[in-house]
Amino acid sequence: KNEVEQSPQNLTAQEGEFITINCSYSVGISALHWLQQHPGGGIVSLFMLSSGKKKHGRLIATINIQEKHSSLHITASHPRDSAVYICPMNFGNEKLTFGTGTRLTIIP
Amino acid sequence: KAGVTQTPRYLIKTRGQQVTLSCSPISGHRSVSWYQQTPGQGLQFLFEYFSETQRNKGNFPGRFSGRQFSNSRSEMNVSTLELGDSALYLCASSLENTQYFGPGTRLTVL
Repeated sequence: KNEVEQSPQNLTAQEGEFITINCSYSVGISALHWLQQHPGGGIVSLFMLSSGKKKHGRLIATINIQEKHSSLHITASHPRDSAVYICPMNFGNEKLTFGTGTRLTIIP
Repeated sequence: KAGVTQTPRYLIKTRGQQVTLSCSPISGHRSVSWYQQTPGQGLQFLFEYFSETQRNKGNFPGRFSGRQFSNSRSEMNVSTLELGDSALYLCASSLENTQYFGPGTRLTVL
């Protein structure tokens, strides 16, 4: 069964802190995505990974294929980073399987 | 390039009615996927269309259907609405495995 687990489910941090959100999965994947969803529902695609590491501004995403694990890091966190972060995956086709999401709150 | 657009953005229906939602993908994208997001179940995959053909389907009842037109625009239809169909319906168009999400249609069933 294709399963995706995210941790933590909720995370509250002070502005400026380094944030790590984790995602693990049970079977091989063809690609992993990191999405950001703000209150109101709008979803932004942050990264798509099949191996290695990607960086965009203060965001860094890594994936370890052998350990079936991915992390999203946010450096110098800011209140505008407050959102739900989701890591859906492709298990060999276009269909995405979603994790439960991590609700991040950054306090000024 | 314009992003993925969805219409309408908000919709209120009553039980038993049917509803049609529309999604216009990013120009050049041929794959359109639909997702349902509810507080209890999170994000769930409904179906995916590519070149006017349904390519993948999630575990939803037959009341949920969709189609894709030759210009890649897609519609999804829900018949005989139930209270539990109240949700945010998102569509995403994709090119080479990267999905670009629309703003969603928030459907409320009374």
